[in-house]
Amino acid sequence: NAGVTQTPKFQVLKTGQSMTLQCAQDMNHNSMYWYRQDPGMGLRLIYYSASEGTTDKGEVPNGYNVSRLNKREFSLRLESAAPSQTSVYFCATHLDRGLNQPQHFGDGTRLSIL
Amino acid sequence: QKEVEQNSGPLSVPEGAIASLNCTYSDRGSQSFFWYRQYSGKSPELIMSIYSNGDKEDGRFTAQLNKASQYVSLLIRDSQPSDSATYLCAVKMIKAAGNKLTFGGGTRVLVKP
Repeated sequence: NAGVTQTPKFQVLKTGQSMTLQCAQDMNHNSMYWYRQDPGMGLRLIYYSASEGTTDKGEVPNGYNVSRLNKREFSLRLESAAPSQTSVYFCATHLDRGLNQPQHFGDGTRLSIL
Repeated sequence: QKEVEQNSGPLSVPEGAIASLNCTYSDRGSQSFFWYRQYSGKSPELIMSIYSNGDKEDGRFTAQLNKASQYVSLLIRDSQPSDSATYLCAVKMIKAAGNKLTFGGGTRVLVKP
């Protein structure tokens, strides 16, 4: 049981390059989330998806796009990477039954943009 | 004012002592509260959740919730060096669409042998 799997784990990009971060879950959860974590900033929500085929903006969506093509997978795309997007990116999932359910995190993708 | 606030620390605690972490939140109608532990270079892992006023104990961890004062705290008893990590407070706010959580910036805890 892998839980939440993120690929790649590490990536270095040049400014202006594009990249897609992948997230897959086998927990049968409806909701999926993308966060970025910068030193001293905690976790900031980029985008989330409450169900297959739906996506909504979070706190810091600019410069990112997402795609939720099926229940298992939620991808995050950087169309033209900027140094300000250097961060650690976490994908999380959530079971939508009841209010009091935690989110479960993947291991993260460490992205550096030069 | 941030919606969820935590002292960034570091909170330095002698081994065997009690570590006390606090978290305040702005949305009075917030419903669910979570504490995550995050080791350096790792992802957050859930250690406690609490939904009702009062205390909830799980092993060496105790979460305390006071909705009237809008704070939630985490006590770590008999602190061990392995407890050295950043602790994130997360809140499910009533105003949040879906099941979004709002995270605090985290408190770094250092347990010294």
